[in-house]
Amino acid sequence: SYVVTQPPSVSVAPGQTAKITCGGDRIGTKSVHWYQQKPGQAPVLVVHDDSDRPSGIPERFSGSNSGNMATLTINWVEAGDEADYYCHVWDGGNNQVVIFGGGTKLTVL
Amino acid sequence: EVQLLESGGDLVQPGKSLRISCAASGFTFGRYGMSWVRQAPGKGLEWVSSISASGASTYYGDSVKGRFTISRDKSRDTVYLQMDGLRSEDTAVYFCARGAGIAVPEDFFDYWGQGTQVTVSS
Repeated sequence: SYVVTQPPSVSVAPGQTAKITCGGDRIGTKSVHWYQQKPGQAPVLVVHDDSDRPSGIPERFSGSNSGNMATLTINWVEAGDEADYYCHVWDGGNNQVVIFGGGTKLTVL
Repeated sequence: EVQLLESGGDLVQPGKSLRISCAASGFTFGRYGMSWVRQAPGKGLEWVSSISASGASTYYGDSVKGRFTISRDKSRDTVYLQMDGLRSEDTAVYFCARGAGIAVPEDFFDYWGQGTQVTVSS
């Protein structure tokens, strides 16, 4: 079955740029979605369809997807961005399953 | 305002059954696919099951196929997850999530409930 890989952790200082990756075989041919989850809370959609932002999500959040890597970029990182981030793809081949990455813990130093 | 309210989580013994519910409000329920996603303690998100807007099509993750059944009641704007043959590895918070459109399970999840805790233990 299709597998996506995220780094377990990313650390960044306030005001800097965080890049969280989601790797998979030819992932650039799939739509990738990203969720933010803070401790004890439900996930929140921050980017969908590779690079679209839902209403209410700051422009600091952006996404890209090409080749074997999708990336969530957070510019001008704030303390409130500290959370777990998950990528999500649909494996529409023979398996017909929803795939989540293992999650990346973003730490704001 | 879109709201999803899960209920029914409990402590159950291995091998037993449990049904959890998700009551939806603030949108036209029959126009959206719905899904269940779970999160084991200290772990990541795992997709469990999805149901189309009409209820005619259902989808399951490999770990629950044959044991769990998803359904929806349009008269109550509620989606259910019937869980049979529960195992310790089913212990998790179960989130209800709305698909962005009717194309489940391909769509992203645009709204999530706060979750209900299911614990499987003797």
